[in-house]
Parts: sequence; structure tokens; C-alpha cells
Amino acid sequence: NAGVTQTPKFQVLKTGQSMTLQCAQDMNHNSMYWYRQDPGMGLRLIYYSASEGTTDKGEVPNGYNVSRLNKREFSLRLESAAPSQTSVYFCASSDKGHRRTGELFFGEGSRLTVL
Amino acid sequence: GESVGLHLPTLSVQEGDNSIINCAYSNSASDYFIWYKQESGKGPQFIIDIRSNMDKRQGQRVTVLLNKTVKHLSLQIAATQPGDSAVYFCAENSGGSNYKLTFGKGTLLTVNP
Repeated sequence: NAGVTQTPKFQVLKTGQSMTLQCAQDMNHNSMYWYRQDPGMGLRLIYYSASEGTTDKGEVPNGYNVSRLNKREFSLRLESAAPSQTSVYFCASSDKGHRRTGELFFGEGSRLTVL
Repeated sequence: GESVGLHLPTLSVQEGDNSIINCAYSNSASDYFIWYKQESGKGPQFIIDIRSNMDKRQGQRVTVLLNKTVKHLSLQIAATQPGDSAVYFCAENSGGSNYKLTFGKGTLLTVNP
């Protein structure tokens, strides 16, 4: 049982380049999330998808787009990468919203550096 | 201890001792709190949660205490082991959305053998 799988694990981009971070979960969860984690800071929510077919903005959505491709997959796209987007990105999933379970299942992270 | 908004604090304990990690929150509307553990190079892992209608909840070797009067949350780890070395995050949900958690900046726990 793989849980939440993110690809790639590492990526270096030049300013202005685009890329997509992929995330897939095999737990049949309804909700999926993208967070970013910066040094000395907690995780900040970029976008989430409460259920298949829906996406909503989180705390820091600017510069990102997402696609909930199906129930398993939730991708994060950077259209024109900026150095401020250098971060570690985590995908997570949960069966229900936080108020019911709180248990997010996280991937191992994708470390992105924008030069 | 940590607060949603401070630099990453650290806590160093001896193996076998009890650890207490603190977290302050500012949103009086927060009614659901969660602790996560993050080991180096990995994603966060759920430890325990507590709702605002409780002031204490126990798990395996862990206890979470909630004091709503002073908006304070703590995680107690009994008989701390080297494998407990990690960054610990508290997170809160204010109820405005089922899907939005606010994470604290974390506390680095180091367990010395």
C-alpha cells in the first residue's frame, strides 16, 4: 500500500519555466491537498480539492494552478516559476474534512528550487 | 513552546524522560486541534487530535492537553525514545472550513541517548 506518492522528488527550474507536480493516492480518499513548507515555517495550504471535480484556494494560491484529474490524482502546476516558489511541496489526502478526522496522509515531499 | 507565528523552537531531552511540547493559538474560534510529527526528509504524520469540548486526550505514550481559557495546547510524550526525535507541529481548525488547517511553525525535539 503506497499511500500518497509524489513526483518528482527533486526539481531545479529557472525563473519563468513551468512544471507540474504530480500526486496520486491509493486510499480511495475524497479530499486532497497541496501544501508548501518553507524553512522555519509551518505548512501553508496552497489549494485543496474537497472531492473529485472540485478545487478551492487555500492560504497561498497565487502563482499556482491545480487539477483534480480523477479521484486518485491531484496535480499542482507552476506556470511561470519564481524564486519565491523555492520550497518543499507536500501533497496530502484525507477521507473526510479535517473536522471529522484531522488525519491527513502526506506524501514524502517534492523539493523545488527556482534559480 | 511554539506559537502559530514564531521561529522554530527546540527541545532537547534525555532518553526515557518525559517531553512536553507547547503550542499557543490565537483564534478563539478554533475548535479542533491536531498534532503532527515530521521526521527528517519525510512528510508529517498524524499523532493525535482533540476537540474543544475536551481538555485531555490520551493515545499510546502521548497525551494532549487543551486549555481554552489561555488558548494553549500541549503534547506530552512519555518515556521519550530516540525515534521520537522529529519536528512536532500543532495545527488548528477554526470551523470556517472543514478543509483548512492552520499549522504552527513546529518544535524540534532532540532525544539524547
